[in-house]
Amino acid sequence: GENVEQHPSTLSVQEGDSAVIKCTYSDSASNYFPWYKQELGKRPQLIIDIRSNVGEKKDQRIAVTLNKTAKHFSLHITETQPEDSAVYFCAASRGNQFYFGTGTSLTVIP
Amino acid sequence: DAMVIQNPRYQVTQFGKPVTLSCSQTLNHNVMYWYQQKSSQAPKLLFHYYDKDFNNEADTPDNFQSRRPNTSFCFLDIRSPGLGDAAMYLCATSSTGVTEAFFGQGTRLTVV
Repeated sequence: GENVEQHPSTLSVQEGDSAVIKCTYSDSASNYFPWYKQELGKRPQLIIDIRSNVGEKKDQRIAVTLNKTAKHFSLHITETQPEDSAVYFCAASRGNQFYFGTGTSLTVIP
Repeated sequence: DAMVIQNPRYQVTQFGKPVTLSCSQTLNHNVMYWYQQKSSQAPKLLFHYYDKDFNNEADTPDNFQSRRPNTSFCFLDIRSPGLGDAAMYLCATSSTGVTEAFFGQGTRLTVV
């Protein structure tokens, strides 16, 4: 199956600063790349996604970039707020199979 | 407005005693997934159904089985739970093609 690597595993930022999380994938056939936010004890929830025919997508404070050639994609959160604190998972999908990265625990320090 | 519902939320089972976790969905999605998530780790895909077609991941232990009697329901059967099977089990759904996966709240399984 697909192998998705995610870095860093933990990230602490000051409120108002930006946070960047990076993922790489192995299967060049993967064509859909969602990002999920999981708060403690809750289900993963989609925050943004990008398809392979797009290089960048933005939704308010959140943006995702994709480099198909290098097989990596990144999540950018600007103007971070304490409520952004959670575990973030990237995923790569080919067809209907989703493979998740190892997760990044983000802490936003007020 | 729960769309993917998992029952129970918490399940305690004895070592070696078969246990079944259930998932139902109101989205009419044709794809359903079971993921295992251990503490501080990523969700690991166990298997998925594409309509009635069962797709097992190569590294999913034989101890894990699944049933999907109809579009709305999917079950995860653990035939002989071991201590290492204690985890959060997440059910998810999606529709044909490239769309997001919707997750249930999960069932936290404890093996004693």
